[in-house]
Amino acid sequence: KAGVTQTPRYLIKTRGQQVTLSCSPISGHRSVSWYQQTPGQGLQFLFEYFSETQRNKGNFPGRFSGRQFSNSRSEMNVSTLELGDSALYLCASSSGGWDTQYFGPGTRLTVL
Amino acid sequence: AQSVTQPDIHITVSEGASLELRCNYSYGATPYLFWYVQSPGQGLQLLLKYFSGDTLVQGIKGFEAEFKRSQSSFNLRKPSVHWSDAAEYFCAVGAESSSNTGKLIFGQGTTLQVKP
Repeated sequence: KAGVTQTPRYLIKTRGQQVTLSCSPISGHRSVSWYQQTPGQGLQFLFEYFSETQRNKGNFPGRFSGRQFSNSRSEMNVSTLELGDSALYLCASSSGGWDTQYFGPGTRLTVL
Repeated sequence: AQSVTQPDIHITVSEGASLELRCNYSYGATPYLFWYVQSPGQGLQLLLKYFSGDTLVQGIKGFEAEFKRSQSSFNLRKPSVHWSDAAEYFCAVGAESSSNTGKLIFGQGTTLQVKP
């Protein structure tokens, strides 16, 4: 089975722009979770989608949003980028419930 | 509130030596516990997990971890470290709650350096 894929792998944006990141889960997985990883804050949960519905959300401002499509692929969007949004964004997929989360390689976002 | 603490930010061991990485969690009910490893510039790879049952769990790459409820700990061990084990290790806990689905809480990570 193919693993979790994330595109693009690297992004450079400037402050004020917006960005969309994509995540394709493992085939058959219906849950996708997103995390932000920074040196200062570590790994923090952004949100989780299951069957196109957001079921859980972390403590991030409304500039961070996401969605999930009927094929379970997910996107996250960050609007009005700030320097502090520079991070590695990881998505993870699972079959749902408390099954194991499998992580993608991440998207490295740099905001200048 | 749930939390995970990895007391050691950085550990250096000699190749062939044994390894123990510490993890303490704070959670009221029975937690779901995980250890992940991350190589530079990569995503997270699952080493092992504990959901229930036998408190000593075996994982990939020769790693094992022991769940000790009385100490709220889930320490990761390996009897003989290889140079390729150098990486960052994360302990994580999942919440058994319908309002916390899909959310893992991670410790700050332990960076393992292996001396030849």
